[in-house]
Amino acid sequence: EDKVVQSPLSLVVHEGDTVTLNCSYEVTNFRSLLWYKQEKKAPTFLFMLTSSGIEKKSGRLSSILDKKELFSILNITATQTGDSAVYLCAQETSGSRLTFGEGTQLTVNP
Amino acid sequence: NAGVMQNPRHLVRRRGQEARLRCSPMKGHSHVYWYRQLPEEGLKFMVYLQKENIIDESGMPKERFSAEFPKEGPSILRIQQVVRGDSAAYFCASSPWFRAGSYNEQFFGPGTRLTVL
Repeated sequence: EDKVVQSPLSLVVHEGDTVTLNCSYEVTNFRSLLWYKQEKKAPTFLFMLTSSGIEKKSGRLSSILDKKELFSILNITATQTGDSAVYLCAQETSGSRLTFGEGTQLTVNP
Repeated sequence: NAGVMQNPRHLVRRRGQEARLRCSPMKGHSHVYWYRQLPEEGLKFMVYLQKENIIDESGMPKERFSAEFPKEGPSILRIQQVVRGDSAAYFCASSPWFRAGSYNEQFFGPGTRLTVL
């Protein structure tokens, strides 16, 4: 079974800090890697990564994929309290199913 | 432009009763996926459906669970004779039709939180 591992499982920072969240995955039938933000409700789509080495950015968030080393990182700069959430990484395999990691619980304190 | 809609948002059932969870995909989306999130665990894939077809049900428990996506109306996830271990958040996601080799992100609904007493 495909496995996605996220680290750290939880992280507490102060406003203004920069954080890096990690996600490693397995290569079997890989199609894409996705990042979602979950705040006690629906996971909200952040990024889809399919190509190695190409950074995707959206405001203070950015993400990159390394298909050789089988990992992805999600960076958040100048964190705000509204960034507090669980960040989920998911691998899409052929057949379109998503395999999720356990998530990183990020808490940003004022 | 409404997103993925799920109802009910909260559902309480007693052991042995049936639970029916509904999902209406985003407009223009013809692919529906159901995921389950147990307390303190990540999202786990259950089933992938297109209109009138089950494409992949490899994540569905073999007994008591079934899913459908009829030609008209929402997708239904049905759990018969619920047990306490079925208590979880059930999320539905949808994506548009895509050609082989292309990529489409899945958009999630707000989930149905099932509590079995």
